[in-house]
Order: sequence, then structure tokens, then C-alpha cells
Amino acid sequence: GAVVSQHPSRVICKSGTSVKIECRSLDFQATTMFWYRQFPKQSLMLMATSNEGSKATYEQGVEKDKFLINHASLTLSTLTVTSAHPEDSSFYICSARRDYEQYFGPGTRLTVT
Amino acid sequence: GENVEQHPSTLSVQEGDSAVIKCTYSDSASNYFPWYKQELGKGPQLIIDIRSNVGEKKDQRIAVTLNKTAKHFSLHITETQPEDSAVYFCAASYSGGGADGLTFGKGTHLIIQP
Repeated sequence: GAVVSQHPSRVICKSGTSVKIECRSLDFQATTMFWYRQFPKQSLMLMATSNEGSKATYEQGVEKDKFLINHASLTLSTLTVTSAHPEDSSFYICSARRDYEQYFGPGTRLTVT
Repeated sequence: GENVEQHPSTLSVQEGDSAVIKCTYSDSASNYFPWYKQELGKGPQLIIDIRSNVGEKKDQRIAVTLNKTAKHFSLHITETQPEDSAVYFCAASYSGGGADGLTFGKGTHLIIQP
């Protein structure tokens, strides 16, 4: 149990375009999901907390207008990177909370050219 | 906010030996301490966790200990095997409902030498 999927697994886009990443909890419902970013050989940094049916909470320094989060159901959260630039290239990983544990998706590798 | 320090950054051990990774945290309100294993290009996998109401937890070859007074916790892997090679992250959070995203350590690259 506690399987989290992400789609797509990798995406390449041109500078200035927008990209949507989906995060799904497959076998449990998650009122809370999280989005993290990980640069090569670095740790995971929390970007935002996504709560079903309400606005996301963003960490300090994360632009909410650039990283749009929608948590429309108990099994789906989406992250949209708007007007992407090369510096947004990174590994984006979501997690879903079940009780007090967090289960992570496989990640999405975003490359902005 | 919370700050988690993790040591060592790289750990090389002979197959069959034990490995220990240590973390310290700064926020005394943190009460949940998970450990994750991450293989290259994949998402982190939860391997064991501990809550602040216990001092030790064990699951087969893996154990975690917690010292709340000193604000440090450790991961112990016994009888290491080649498939244990990966990057291990410790994390901390206050699990009291609401926003409780994890603060991660910088990771330990564990290398199991055959």
C-alpha cells in the first residue's frame, strides 16, 4: 500500500512555456500533499503544502504565481510551472501524507531549454 | 525554522559490516523523524520512522534511535548488502496536523564494498 505516482516522469520544454505535473495517491486518500524540488546531488527542499479544497501554502522564497498548485480531489494534486526558465530545471517530487507518514512519488525531471 | 544536520556525507563499508548515519535537529517541537532511501533518478522510499514518544525502533536489519534531550537520531543498518548502496536522507517535522512538510538533512551516500 501507499503508492504515489507522478506524470510525466520527464519533460523537456522551451523557455517561456508552462508545464503541468500530476501527483496521484493510488491506493489511499490524501488530504495533504507536498511538493519538493531537488537539484543534482542535493537534498530535497519543500516548496509548498497542498491541501485538498483550499489554497496551497508556499515556503518562503517560492513564488506562488510561478508555481501554481491545485489539489482538486483527495487523490490528485497538480503543480504547474508557469513561464518556465532554464533555472527552473530540476527534479520535482511530490509526497502524499497518510496518517503522519509521507510517501513520495518517483519524481519528474524538468529540463527547460 | 527547523534545521537538520546529517553526517557523514559519504560512508563506505564492507559488505556484512554495520553502517551508522547520524542526524541532529534544532527545533525541540519536532516529533516525527523518518529515514528515506533514494536510488539514482528515483523518488525517496520510506524505510523506517520514529516518533518522539519512543527511543528506539527496529525493523529487521534496520533500526533507528532517538535522543530527544540531545536532539539527535541515528540510523543503524546491520549485515549490509550491496543493494543497500544508495543515498539516505534523514528528516524531521512537527506532525501535529496542518502544514508539516519535512525538513531534510543533506544526505549520506552509502557505498557497500563487496
